[in-house]
Amino acid sequence: QQQVKQSPQSLIVQKGGISIINCAYENTAFDYFPWYQQFPGKGPALLIAIRPDVSEKKEGRFTISFNKSAKQFSLHIMDSQPGDSATYFCAASADRGSTLGRLYFGRGTQLTVWP
Amino acid sequence: EAEVAQSPRYKITEKSQAVAFWCDPISGHATLYWYRQILGQGPELLVQFQDESVVDDSQLPKDRFSAERLKGVDSTLKIQPAELGDSAMYLCASSSAAGLVETQYFGPGTRLLVL
Repeated sequence: QQQVKQSPQSLIVQKGGISIINCAYENTAFDYFPWYQQFPGKGPALLIAIRPDVSEKKEGRFTISFNKSAKQFSLHIMDSQPGDSATYFCAASADRGSTLGRLYFGRGTQLTVWP
Repeated sequence: EAEVAQSPRYKITEKSQAVAFWCDPISGHATLYWYRQILGQGPELLVQFQDESVVDDSQLPKDRFSAERLKGVDSTLKIQPAELGDSAMYLCASSSAAGLVETQYFGPGTRLLVL
């Protein structure tokens, strides 16, 4: 059972455009929502993360929008660049007090930015 | 910048053989994770260590997989016997602060092909 559902599976955007990737979850215990970026042959790297006490978080060209009532969150990449071409994963976790919550990943979105 | 080290980077083995993967986390990181990433999917947690103790191995196929972190530093993941369905990328990650899942740093992974 997929804890976090991610769409689209692939995305092609022109340079300078906006890339939008969406994720949805069901478990209301989730309280931490990171996005990871993965280049071919590399491990995932944390890009940006949000907790549900805010509806939006922005870091440079990357923005997470969070809708707690809809149990959805999305990644927006403004002014997309060819160097952004990678696979993006959303994830979710529920803290468990003194122990670390397991990260549940979406299936990933392969982003291609055309120059 | 400190990185998570993994070896080997690639491994080809035949069905029913034993394989082992090694991970050296970032120095000082108490929490270590092993993930399996099947092609086209997101990483899935296999086992999580806090120092030398297993915190979560609920998704580890214990009939054939084993993991250890004897001195609470580096770790080994073993598969015996390997099956065709084990072909995947095996990722190691480490984290510096208990209770803060956002500090997970991934290594480059070991890509396993079982023939």
